[in-house]
Amino acid sequence: AQSVTQLDSHVSVSEGTPVLLRCNYSSSYSPSLFWYVQHPNKGLQLLLKYTSAATLVKGINGFEAEFKKSETSFHLTKPSAHMSDAAEYFCVVSDRGGSYIPTFGRGTSLIVHP
Amino acid sequence: EAEVAQSPRYKITEKSQAVAFWCDPISGHATLYWYRQILGQGPELLVQFQDESVVDDSQLPKDRFSAERLKGVDSTLKIQPAELGDSAMYLCASSFRETEAFFGQGTRLTVV
Repeated sequence: AQSVTQLDSHVSVSEGTPVLLRCNYSSSYSPSLFWYVQHPNKGLQLLLKYTSAATLVKGINGFEAEFKKSETSFHLTKPSAHMSDAAEYFCVVSDRGGSYIPTFGRGTSLIVHP
Repeated sequence: EAEVAQSPRYKITEKSQAVAFWCDPISGHATLYWYRQILGQGPELLVQFQDESVVDDSQLPKDRFSAERLKGVDSTLKIQPAELGDSAMYLCASSFRETEAFFGQGTRLTVV
């Protein structure tokens, strides 16, 4: 079975400061991990993905995430927040080798202050 | 750029009525998912198809929900009868084998 825990329901930062959104996962197989972003009343857009290659993954809009197997974590970071980054972010896990069903965390709302 | 198409974007229906949502996945994507997203929560899987076959529908409330993908391409999700608690965003996604899922814009359902 697979599951995801997003450790913060809300994260508030000032524009220009670093962003850290935390995600821990549980997987019985080798996981694929993803971060998606959702703006209000919009669908989900893929930010980045980890599928067993490099553990440091770079995505769109300056975001990156690092896969740490020993910590079962896949935290999302960005060096400098922009107002347009304000949105809901979802960490997602799928088991490669098991039932490949994308399983979502509860989401983290990123608030960016001017 | 290929996209997952969903319709309608918004639907308001009275409780006890029937409602249906349609999804057209990206061409060539054999896997299709329907998710339900309640406001303030993450999406939860309702049903997964591989071609025309159901792979997982363990979380689909089968007394009132049904889903089909008859020719292994587009799909329809139906609710009959709708209940107030069904108000949510219904998201369709597709993927090519074991890769990332691409999501449509969703259908926002309001049951009154």
